Amino acid sequence: KNQVEQSPQSLIILEGKNCTLQCNYTVSPFSNLRWYKQDTGRGPVSLTIMTFSENTKSNGRYTATLDADTKQSSLHITASQLSDSASYICVVSAHGTASKLTFGTGTRLQVTL
Amino acid sequence: DVKVTQSSRYLVKRTGEKVFLECVQDMDHENMFWYRQDPGLGLRLIYFSYDVKMKEKGDIPEGYSVSREKKERFSLILESASTNQTSMYLCASGSPGTGSYNEQFFGPGTRLTVL
Repeated sequence: KNQVEQSPQSLIILEGKNCTLQCNYTVSPFSNLRWYKQDTGRGPVSLTIMTFSENTKSNGRYTATLDADTKQSSLHITASQLSDSASYICVVSAHGTASKLTFGTGTRLQVTL
Repeated sequence: DVKVTQSSRYLVKRTGEKVFLECVQDMDHENMFWYRQDPGLGLRLIYFSYDVKMKEKGDIPEGYSVSREKKERFSLILESASTNQTSMYLCASGSPGTGSYNEQFFGPGTRLTVL
């Protein structure tokens, strides 16, 4: 069964600090992995998307890494801001599933003063 | 920018009522999706559609139906709402994409409460 697991479930950090969120997956055959940011009460918004051949991708202060051998990904947030407070969802797509995605349950990040 | 809109941000209905959730996208996407999101469970696919009048069941279709009469519009129908259908409902759209990409763009969500 295709699964995506994220850790930690929740995280509180001080503004200005860095943090790293983890994602492990068992989706096969792997097609691509994406990270979404979801503000409270809003729909998810894509941050990055990576295919098998890409092992890092950045979007401003967000940097995602992918290790397709160990089936792990991480999302690193640099110099956190209050506006980074949100849920971060790891989503994996398998080949041949015609756009069906496997979602993680997300990491809830709170950035405080 | 892709825009996916949903007819209501918040909705309160009574048990047994018929409920319509509407979703409209403006990017001429072939694919449209309905998900529900519950705490601790992540997003779960209810139904999706690849083309007008085409629909396929997702992982949790029971108690729901869908309609896609026009390419830009995808409706989710709760024939007889029940309290266990209280949830956040998210619509998404996307094209099959090129290569390995099959990006989905999400609407703002509808928070449905069934009393």
